[in-house]
Amino acid sequence: DGGITQSPKYLFRKEGQNVTLSCEQNLNHDAMYWYRQDPGQGLRLIYYSQIVNDFQKGDIAEGYSVSREKKESFPLTVTSAQKNPTAFYLCASSILGVDQPQHFGDGTRLSIL
Amino acid sequence: SQKIEQNSEALNIQEGKTATLTCNYTNYSPAYLQWYRQDPGRGPVFLLLIRENEKEKRKERLKVTFDTTLKQSLFHITASQPADSATYLCALDPADDMRFGAGTRLTVKP
Repeated sequence: DGGITQSPKYLFRKEGQNVTLSCEQNLNHDAMYWYRQDPGQGLRLIYYSQIVNDFQKGDIAEGYSVSREKKESFPLTVTSAQKNPTAFYLCASSILGVDQPQHFGDGTRLSIL
Repeated sequence: SQKIEQNSEALNIQEGKTATLTCNYTNYSPAYLQWYRQDPGRGPVFLLLIRENEKEKRKERLKVTFDTTLKQSLFHITASQPADSATYLCALDPADDMRFGAGTRLTVKP
């Protein structure tokens, strides 16, 4: 079954720690995305990547970092510089093209201890 | 500034009625618009895409309209069922990245 997998489902971070959220897809999609979702707000784009070893900042990239070493994988690191990291994080992938729908994982909920 | 506004945070309707959700946008000129469904604790799931030259699109009990003059899309669910209860998001893509509205939470009561 093709899909996009995020892990873990729940994650807790201590002050000053970096944490990494995993995102893997077996849909053979070139494009991958990370969004942050807060209550009452739309999804906000953190980073996106259209090809291996290349990625672009979205609207709220500060305090986050990504890598794209393999087509299937697009991990997100929430660094200690992100002062308000508590949120629901969603990873998505799509075929390249401006009208292509995005396929989402089931998210990781990050909380601060 | 650019905005995507979905008409209300929550909409409650009776089973069997038609639900109508609104998506308005400001300072965008999208060539197309998408609608997604999101269940609690899950990622959004793509439902429909409508292009600027398509005034209306249907899929089973779903219908979407797109009025580029009004800068508005309407999303209809006919013969609604309790299983249709979810949050519905509209999205448009001005460039390489997608922009989402905050969503409307629909509750269909039996």
